Amino acid sequence: AQKVTQAQTEISVVEKEDVTLDCVYETRDTTYYLFWYKQPPSGELVFLIRRNSFDEQNEISGRYSWNFQKSTSSFNFTITASQVVDSAVYFCALKGRGNTPLVFGKGTRLSVIA
Amino acid sequence: NAGVTQTPKFQVLKTGQSMTLQCAQDMNHNSMYWYRQDPGMGLRLIYYSASEGTTDKGEVPNGYNVSRLNKREFSLRLESAAPSQTSVYFCASSPSADSNQPQHFGDGTRLSIL
Repeated sequence: AQKVTQAQTEISVVEKEDVTLDCVYETRDTTYYLFWYKQPPSGELVFLIRRNSFDEQNEISGRYSWNFQKSTSSFNFTITASQVVDSAVYFCALKGRGNTPLVFGKGTRLSVIA
Repeated sequence: NAGVTQTPKFQVLKTGQSMTLQCAQDMNHNSMYWYRQDPGMGLRLIYYSASEGTTDKGEVPNGYNVSRLNKREFSLRLESAAPSQTSVYFCASSPSADSNQPQHFGDGTRLSIL
């Protein structure tokens, strides 16, 4: 069975601090896909990134970076120099190969205080 | 440029009433999904339709029915609403159920059962 654990329920940081959101996953599939979604206070779900299991290269996009480590089954998300607009709930999700459902973690609520 | 459209955005029902949530996508996606989001629970899959003419149960199907009306539309029906079904409901679509492409989400329907 697929499982995603986001142990941090809520995080609060002061603007300009760096923050890392943790994501640990469980799967027996050798091929799988990991995703991060953002849910701002307005409620919509915004896709941020997808990572394939065979590609362990870390990725940076502006102030966002993702660290994928198969050895520890983790796919952590770091926001550098956080801003108030980063305040949202962030979800990590896992999909196995084939016709399998997307499994979400319970989310981490990030509050960035000015 | 609509993507995934859900109607209505808000609804209040009395216990025992019935209700159909509508979802339509204009991206020519084959697969569509219904999730519910409850506080602290993340998103949980109710039903999905891998392709037109097929539907399958997800993690929490009890109390719901679905209809894949055509390739564009996927509706979710509550036959006899219960307070436990108070939630935010999201519809999503993807090119195919076995794809690694991200799912695209609608803006959600906030449903309250009194």
